[in-house]
Order: sequence, then C-alpha cells, then structure tokens
Amino acid sequence: DTAVSQTPKYLVTQMGNDKSIKCEQNLGHDTMYWYKQDSKKFLKIMFSYNNKELIINETVPNRFSPKSPDKAHLNLHINSLELGDSAVYFCASRQGLHGHTFGSGTRLTVV
Amino acid sequence: KQEVTQIPAALSVPEGENLVLNCSFTDSAIYNLQWFRQDPGKGLTSLLLIQSSQREQTSGRLNASLDKSSGRSTLYIAASQPGDSATYLCAVNYGNKLVFGAGTILRVKS
Repeated sequence: DTAVSQTPKYLVTQMGNDKSIKCEQNLGHDTMYWYKQDSKKFLKIMFSYNNKELIINETVPNRFSPKSPDKAHLNLHINSLELGDSAVYFCASRQGLHGHTFGSGTRLTVV
Repeated sequence: KQEVTQIPAALSVPEGENLVLNCSFTDSAIYNLQWFRQDPGKGLTSLLLIQSSQREQTSGRLNASLDKSSGRSTLYIAASQPGDSATYLCAVNYGNKLVFGAGTILRVKS
C-alpha cells in the first residue's frame, strides 16, 4: 500500500498550458505539503495544509493554486506554465511530531 | 533566517569505511530533525527522525546525533557499502515546514 501517492509521475507540457498534479495519503495524517525540488536538487516548501486549511504559502506565484477537497487529498494546479516551473514536485504528509512521509515525486518538464 | 547547511557537499569513500555527514542549522528553535536518503530520480526515504529533546537515534548501521544548542546534527554510517551510495538530506522541522540542506552526495566504491 502506497502511503503518499502522486499522479502523474511524469508531466511534459508546453509553455502557457494549465496542469494539475494530484496527491493522496492513506495515513490519516492531518497535515499535507507541496515541496519543489529545483534543477540544483534543492528542496523548498511551497504550501502546507492542516485539515483542509492553508497554513503556509511560501511566496509562491499565484499561478500555483493548491486545493484540498478533504484531509487525505492535496492537489496542485498550475496556470500559464513557464519554463522555470520545470522541477520535481513532492507531496508529503505528517501527523503531530512524527516525521514527514513523502510521495515519489512528479517530474514536470515545460517545453 | 532559517538556513540548513550540509558538509561535505560530496564524499567518495572505499567500501567498509565509517563516515560522518554533517548538518548545521541557524535557528535552534526546532521541533525535530529528519535525515533522508534520495536515490537518483527517486523520492525521499526517511532514515532517522530525532525529536528536539533527544540526543541521538540509531537504526542499523546508521546513527544520528543532535546538539540543538549548537545547531548541529551528524549522521554516522558504519561499515559503508556500495548500496549506501545516494544523496543524504538533512531537514529541520520548524513546526509546520521542513527546511532542507542542499545534501551530501555519497559514493561508496567497491
């Protein structure tokens, strides 16, 4: 059973398109996240949701809009994709002081 | 500003060596610290989690220590194996987010 699952695993799209990445966790965690790993492999937080409520929005362009329909899901929608959005996007979840559990990542390539 | 630094950036060792990876953080008001492993093109695998009140955690050949007051953590790998080759990431939990170091790329030669 996959604890944190993301779809799709790979996404290649043209500049200007709108795309979504989906994330689901079956761990019963209250908090979910989106992290971005850039071309230099540096990981940085984008958003954090706790019980469907946005907690952290780390100066991400408003072309990125997270949506949490319920506690187990956190999707990421990106409008008007730009070349600089190419990266690997990781979803994660956490409960209390337990560690983060990460999904396997979505590699987004904008051409 | 909350920053995490990992040293060295890369490390190449022969099989069997014991090695230490270092992590330092600027803000000591941490909740916990997590060490991850990332294989090329793959996701993050959690290795060890140390709560802010703990001094160390052990799992098999891995031992992680934490000195919160000095803003340091180390990951000790005993008897390294080629299968340990990966990028090791230190991540500090500041309550609702992880702040990551840039990682140490480890290569263990057979």
